[in-house]
Amino acid sequence: NAGVTQTPKFRVLKTGQSMTLLCAQDMNHEYMYWYRQDPGMGLRLIHYSVGEGTTAKGEVPDGYNVSRLKKQNFLLGLESAAPSQTSVYFCASTYPRANSPLHFGNGTRLTVT
Amino acid sequence: EDKVVQSPLSLVVHEGDTVTLNCSYEVTNFRSLLWYKQEKKAPTFLFMLTSSGIEKKSGRLSSILDKKELFSILNITATQTGDSAVYLCAVVGNFGNEKLTFGTGTRLTIIP
Repeated sequence: NAGVTQTPKFRVLKTGQSMTLLCAQDMNHEYMYWYRQDPGMGLRLIHYSVGEGTTAKGEVPDGYNVSRLKKQNFLLGLESAAPSQTSVYFCASTYPRANSPLHFGNGTRLTVT
Repeated sequence: EDKVVQSPLSLVVHEGDTVTLNCSYEVTNFRSLLWYKQEKKAPTFLFMLTSSGIEKKSGRLSSILDKKELFSILNITATQTGDSAVYLCAVVGNFGNEKLTFGTGTRLTIIP
């Protein structure tokens, strides 16, 4: 009964380093999302996917890449981390139905120094 | 571009008071509006609203949607300290606009 699982939970990077955040869901959801949350900014959509093999840009996509090679996994990549990418990252998933809410993972706290 | 505006940004009330949180929105091909409560970690789901004028209720919390005026309210009656949190409103579209757009949230603080 895992739901949406994000790894890692915490990470500290130096400027210019790269990393990948993994989101895995076991609910057979079609739609998956990556958000970042900064103080006073609410949740801002980075990228999202409406199905395996498809991705789309959200509100703040610059500096990030994503892949959805398997339906249950949605990866968020930072190729060259910058201090402006210090944030809490949330993954979420849902069914493409009008009465289906979004299920969130517990977040990844990323610090870029 | 889809837009969600929540008001007030923050609210401090005493335990037992009733509060109303507001959410106005603009979205292409509206599908639903959702309310979430966020304390320390991930947002937790409260309500999903798809039809105008139908109140959703869960204990002391209730919410209603007005699709003509493009807004929703979240009411909390007889507030308790456990209601202290950030309340987030979000909208999602259809037909190629499946992204979920959030407002910046209302920070509610309940004073004992």
